[in-house]
Amino acid sequence: KAGVTQTPRYLIKTRGQQVTLSCSPISGHRSVSWYQQTPGQGLQFLFEYFSETQRNKGNFPGRFSGRQFSNSRSEMNVSTLELGDSALYLCASSYSGGGNQPQHFGDGTRLSIL
Amino acid sequence: AQSVTQLDSQVPVFEEAPVELRCNYSSSVSVYLFWYVQYPNQGLQLLLKYLSGSTLVKGINGFEAEFNKSQTSFHLRKPSVHISDTAEYFCAVSDRGAYQGGKLIFGQGTELSVKP
Repeated sequence: KAGVTQTPRYLIKTRGQQVTLSCSPISGHRSVSWYQQTPGQGLQFLFEYFSETQRNKGNFPGRFSGRQFSNSRSEMNVSTLELGDSALYLCASSYSGGGNQPQHFGDGTRLSIL
Repeated sequence: AQSVTQLDSQVPVFEEAPVELRCNYSSSVSVYLFWYVQYPNQGLQLLLKYLSGSTLVKGINGFEAEFNKSQTSFHLRKPSVHISDTAEYFCAVSDRGAYQGGKLIFGQGTELSVKP
């Protein structure tokens, strides 16, 4: 079974631009969660999608948004990029997002803002 | 609100020695507990999980963890480490409610460095 796939692996952007990251979950998984990982703040939950609906959201500004398609693939968008948005963005999938279901992570997209 | 504290940011250890990585959590509700490992330039890989039942949980790569409800701890142990265990380890919790919206709360991580 293929794992969680995130594209691209690396991105370099400048301040003020916007960026879209993509995540393909494990086949059959309908819940997709996004996390931001930075040296200072660690791993922080951004949001979760299930059946094309955002069900849960972390404490991030509205510049961070996402969506999910009917095939469960998800995209995350960050608008008006700031230097502090430089991070590793991780996507994780599970069958239905229940707390007892381990999340399976992709290798992440490393975003660098110049 | 839930929180997870990993008591050691870095743990250096010699090859074949035992290791314990400590994790304490704070929550007003019952939780599920997880340990993940992250190798350089990779995502997180599940080592083990505690959902219910026996408080001693065995995972992959020879790791085990013990859930202690009274001390709200979930320490990770390995009796003999290898160079290949060098990585960052994360403890995480999620609520036991019916629906938790795919949210894990992570500790700050512990860098395990195994030296020959």
